[in-house]
Amino acid sequence: EVQLLESGGGLVQPGGSLRLSCAASGFTFSSHAMSWVRQAPGKGLEWVSGIIVSGGRTYYADSVKGRFTISRDNSRNTLYLQMNSLRAEDTAVYYCAKGGLAIITAAVDSWGQGTLVTVTS
Amino acid sequence: DIQMTQSPSSVSASVGDRVTITCRASQGISSWLAWYQQKPGKAPKLLIYAASSLHTGVPSRFSGSGSGTDFTLTISSLQPEDFATYYCQQANSSPLTFGGGTKVEIK
Repeated sequence: EVQLLESGGGLVQPGGSLRLSCAASGFTFSSHAMSWVRQAPGKGLEWVSGIIVSGGRTYYADSVKGRFTISRDNSRNTLYLQMNSLRAEDTAVYYCAKGGLAIITAAVDSWGQGTLVTVTS
Repeated sequence: DIQMTQSPSSVSASVGDRVTITCRASQGISSWLAWYQQKPGKAPKLLIYAASSLHTGVPSRFSGSGSGTDFTLTISSLQPEDFATYYCQQANSSPLTFGGGTKVEIK
């Protein structure tokens, strides 16, 4: 059974940083592209960032480009999202998402339970 | 970026009704489209990938169609557990944009 367990969310002030982690199990982590998707309170889904199997190529939404960095450690089956210069509009539940393929352009076939990030002074 | 427009934004229906949700891409995406279901407080679940392929374990009352820019999700006979919000997502190119969502409510 695929399991994606996010951690690292919490309360942070504007301009601050957080690092999210996603521990993956139940599948061959190194064979799947991974993404982060977020959902602001009461709003729809927003794809944030994605990374291919090797970690050699990363992709970002314009709203986070230059502030967020996605990475992965295939030896630890873990996905990361380093979030810097956080803004109030980054407040959301952040989901770890498993791609159906090795490339980023594929449907998300499994989701974590999400971790809440709240940016407020 | 490719914009995804879903309609309607909400629909009221009864158990047993046929429900159709549409999704339009701002440019052609071939069949690189997925549909997700999300219930309140829960993570989304994949229903359909590649526009018309049913994900493992998804009931056959769900079906998807379309290619290019226009896509449809159909629920052939709405069940009580189907009341939820549905999202389309294009998987053709980064950023992988979502539609705004369609809330299926009980009439």
